[in-house]
Amino acid sequence: QVQLVQSEDEVKKPGASVKVSCKASGYNFASYGISWVRQAPGQGLEWMGWISVQNVNLNYPHKLQGRLTMTTDTSTNAAYLELRSLRSDDTAIYYCARDVVQFLQPGEMDVWGQGTTVIVSS
Amino acid sequence: DAVMTQSPLSLPVTLGQPASISCRSSQSLVYIDGNTYLSWFQQRPGQSPRRLIYKVSNRDSGVPDRFSASGSGTDFTLKISRVEAEDVGFYYCMQGTHWPRTFGQGTKVEIK
Repeated sequence: QVQLVQSEDEVKKPGASVKVSCKASGYNFASYGISWVRQAPGQGLEWMGWISVQNVNLNYPHKLQGRLTMTTDTSTNAAYLELRSLRSDDTAIYYCARDVVQFLQPGEMDVWGQGTTVIVSS
Repeated sequence: DAVMTQSPLSLPVTLGQPASISCRSSQSLVYIDGNTYLSWFQQRPGQSPRRLIYKVSNRDSGVPDRFSASGSGTDFTLKISRVEAEDVGFYYCMQGTHWPRTFGQGTKVEIK
């Protein structure tokens, strides 16, 4: 079955970086994209960005430009999210989700990972 | 960015009774291909979100038929015909027509 398995929870200090992984199985990884969504404690869902696995197109909100890197590795069917210069308000659960689009076109996510909690604290 | 506004934000419901959640977009969600990319997600306590509905009214596989959705343009609705205990949690609409994707604030469904 389609599954996305994410890396373990992390605790980081302010100013550090974190890299979350998302390993896909059960489908043709290159035929879909990956979106990343985060959820701060007690808050709603915030879409962080999308990457096309096949042609490495990206899209993400302006507020995260300069701190966010999304990559994929088709040899291991994995996607990665790196967030730099961490602040306390980056404390959240980070989810990867399979995205039905592989080009910059409308669509949505269908299957989600289990989430990775990132705590930023001194 | 397309701002998604849900109401109500809290919805206490009696078991077996219907529930309805509204989602409004600040922009039309109709794309030039004629499709409308509005999805609904359920998030049970302590779980990852789960997609229930895509393209306004298409139920995902395994979603009970007590869940239905409708709407067009900027106004959308998710309905639960008879709320069951397992329906407790948060419900989010999300638009996928415009970049960046945006979610509604979420509606908390709880049992009275």
